[in-house]
Amino acid sequence: NAGVTQTPKFQVLKTGQSMTLQCAQDMNHNSMYWYRQDPGMGLRLIYYSASEGTTDKGEVPNGYNVSRLNKREFSLRLESAAPSQTSVYFCASRGDGGSIYEQYFGPGTRLTVT
Amino acid sequence: AQSVTQLGSHVSVSEGALVLLRCNYSSSVPPYLFWYVQYPNQGLQLLLKYTTGATLVKGINGFEAEFKKSETSFHLTKPSAHMSDAAEYFCAVREDTGRRALTFGSGTRLQVQP
Repeated sequence: NAGVTQTPKFQVLKTGQSMTLQCAQDMNHNSMYWYRQDPGMGLRLIYYSASEGTTDKGEVPNGYNVSRLNKREFSLRLESAAPSQTSVYFCASRGDGGSIYEQYFGPGTRLTVT
Repeated sequence: AQSVTQLGSHVSVSEGALVLLRCNYSSSVPPYLFWYVQYPNQGLQLLLKYTTGATLVKGINGFEAEFKKSETSFHLTKPSAHMSDAAEYFCAVREDTGRRALTFGSGTRLQVQP
């Protein structure tokens, strides 16, 4: 049981390049989230997905797109990276029933845009 | 909308001393509150949570927190700090929306001196 996994762990992009951050969970959770973490600001919600095929914007969605093609995977895409998107990106999932309160986080992707 | 304020971006204690990390929240409904810990270059790990019931909540690694509605606080404590407690700590409140995302404080970095 790996929990929430993210790839890649580190990435350096040039301004204008695109990339997709991958996230997968093996806990059969319906809800999945993408957050970004910036110094002194905690984590902020980028996008949320309640189930396969559904997504919802969070607090800071500009410059990002997401895709939830199946229950396990929730990807985050940067179409044209900007230096302001330099951050640490965390994916999280949340279950239903007894684990409804807890979000489980992946190890993060550290992205630098130059 | 909910919000979280963590007082003190950096806290330094001696090994064996009391750890007190402060968290105040704002919520228009009974809150669900969480403390997460982040070790260097790792993801977030849940320390403890308050949902309903007992206001003194015990978590992992000897940490506990007390929910005080009258003070809108959820401070994290540990009687005796250990070197391994050095990390960043985040307080979070769950949104009162269907997506149940977390709103995080800005974090407190705990340093433990030998």
